[in-house]
Amino acid sequence: SQQGEEDPQALSIQEGENATMNCSYKTSINNLQWYRQNSGRGLVHLILIRSNEREKHSGRLRVTLDTSKKSSSLLITASRAADTASYFCATGVAGNKLTFGGGTRVLVKP
Amino acid sequence: KAGVTQTPRYLIKTRGQQVTLSCSPISGHRSVSWYQQTPGQGLQFLFEYFSETQRNKGNFPGRFSGRQFSNSRSEMNVSTLELGDSALYLCASSLTSGASGTDTQYFGPGTRLTVL
Repeated sequence: SQQGEEDPQALSIQEGENATMNCSYKTSINNLQWYRQNSGRGLVHLILIRSNEREKHSGRLRVTLDTSKKSSSLLITASRAADTASYFCATGVAGNKLTFGGGTRVLVKP
Repeated sequence: KAGVTQTPRYLIKTRGQQVTLSCSPISGHRSVSWYQQTPGQGLQFLFEYFSETQRNKGNFPGRFSGRQFSNSRSEMNVSTLELGDSALYLCASSLTSGASGTDTQYFGPGTRLTVL
């Protein structure tokens, strides 16, 4: 079963616009990670945010975490066609077991 | 450093057969995890090995098994294949055991298994 739900399931934007996706989860976590997947290939790690952190940046990515609401958001600024992919949040509770959300499919139109 | 490698990349089997998938982690990484990805169930954790010991196991039947060798390479085996086992099988490696918090996972390209 999946720990989290992602919203929206799909997103279509123009190049240059920002893309925001949300993730909700059910149990206490030690960290939350975001991954990107291009067309059924392997996942690429984007960012890890620990449970005691509220916001983290990496390049054009901004992640927030609200443990009281059990939710996280990923913002991609100034999107590019190359950002077209599926984005997954994954929660870590114990050890290296990750529990993934259903993903958000992002299409960036040139 | 070379990334995580998985072999084979594609596999076609028939129901009832068994299959073995291989994963070589990033050099120096001692933790290897396996995930199954299907359109219906999404990404699901199968199991994790650290220093040749299974540390975590997902909710999969006993037909799914794995092992890790002393060089950290890992294999997973699926016996008596069913149509529903058709999926992308992803391997991920991590540097630590995750005892201090779930570590970043570095994924391989996956093995796409089709069961006919």
